[in-house]
Amino acid sequence: AQSVTQLDSQVPVFEEAPVELRCNYSSSVSVYLFWYVQYPNQGLQLLLKYLSGSTLVESINGFEAEFNKSQTSFHLRKPSVHISDTAEYFCAVTPTRLSGGYNKLIFGAGTRLAVHP
Amino acid sequence: GAGVSQTPSNKVTEKGKYVELRCDPISGHTALYWYRQSLGQGPEFLIYFQGTGAADDSGLPNDRFFAVRPEGSVSTLKIQRTERGDSAVYLCASSSSGTSGGNEQFFGPGTRLTVL
Repeated sequence: AQSVTQLDSQVPVFEEAPVELRCNYSSSVSVYLFWYVQYPNQGLQLLLKYLSGSTLVESINGFEAEFNKSQTSFHLRKPSVHISDTAEYFCAVTPTRLSGGYNKLIFGAGTRLAVHP
Repeated sequence: GAGVSQTPSNKVTEKGKYVELRCDPISGHTALYWYRQSLGQGPEFLIYFQGTGAADDSGLPNDRFFAVRPEGSVSTLKIQRTERGDSAVYLCASSSSGTSGGNEQFFGPGTRLTVL
């Protein structure tokens, strides 16, 4: 079984400051890792994902995450946040070897990022 | 529309009533998932369809919950004898295939169910 821990339920930060949202996972098998974002009054959207290859993955809007297998972490970072980044961010995993031929996502509880002017 | 749609967006019902929640996946997507998101929590898996069949319903909390996808497209989540603890946002997601762990799941906006 897998589990995901997001250590911070809320992260307040000023505009243009750097931010890190932490995610740790537990799994006895290899996993794929995802970050989803939920803007106010909108559905979940995929922000970025790690499947294989380079452990550093980037999104189109300046976020990046690094897969650290030894620390079982997949922290999300952005060097300079904008007001528009205010949202809830969810870390999720799914096993690389499918059980039953499908990939249900296991989510963390979420981190609410609040960017202040 | 290009995305996953869910209706209704909000549903308020009384304890003991029956409700149906509908999901229209992205056209051509064979895999469909239902998740439930309680307040302050991340989404939790309920059930997965590949085509018309429910390949895994292990996340359904009890036998009051049931879901169908009769033609391999639209899906309906049905809840009988609703309880206050069923109050949550019910999310639907679809992907082009369920057979690759890396396939992106596209989520709908959710149905907020409130049981009074």
